[in-house]
Amino acid sequence: QQQVKQSPQSLIVQKGGISIINCAYENTAFDYFPWYQQFPGKGPALLIAIRPDVSEKKEGRFTISFNKSAKQFSLHIMDSQPGDSATYFCAVARGGTYKYIFGTGTRLKVLA
Amino acid sequence: EAGVVQSPRYKIIEKKQPVAFWCNPISGHNTLYWYLQNLGQGPELLIRYENEEAVDDSQLPKDRFSAERLKGVDSTLKIQPAELGDSAVYLCASSPGGLPDTQYFGPGTRLTVL
Repeated sequence: QQQVKQSPQSLIVQKGGISIINCAYENTAFDYFPWYQQFPGKGPALLIAIRPDVSEKKEGRFTISFNKSAKQFSLHIMDSQPGDSATYFCAVARGGTYKYIFGTGTRLKVLA
Repeated sequence: EAGVVQSPRYKIIEKKQPVAFWCNPISGHNTLYWYLQNLGQGPELLIRYENEEAVDDSQLPKDRFSAERLKGVDSTLKIQPAELGDSAVYLCASSPGGLPDTQYFGPGTRLTVL
């Protein structure tokens, strides 16, 4: 059973546009929702993360929107740049177990 | 601050041969993870260490995979014998502990089994 569903699988955005990636989860016990960015040949790197006590978190051009009732969260990249072209993974975790479950990834390409 | 170091970065072996991957976590990080990442997929946890103790190895295929973390610092993941389906990227991550648990990943070892 897939515990976290990520969409879309791939995304092409024009420079300056908004990139939106969505994740949905099933288990309401999850209480930590990070997003990771991975460039080819590199390991994933933490981009931004949210806890369920807030509905939105913003860091620079990156924003997480969290809908607890719908069990969904999304990553918004404002003013997308070619340097943002990478694969993005959402993850869910229960704080007490430290066990991340990753989504299947979204390959983002930002056109210059 | 140095990140997580992994070696080798690439490894090509024949099936049925053994292979080992090495990981040096960020200094001071007591928690160490090994993940498997198949092409086009997210990382999947294989094993988690707290210091020297493997506290979660439920996802490790123990018939052919083994891991160790002597002295609670460096770790080695071994496959013996390797199968064609083991071709993937093996990622090591470490974290300082506490909540939330921010995991820092190394660059991975890309294994190709022929």
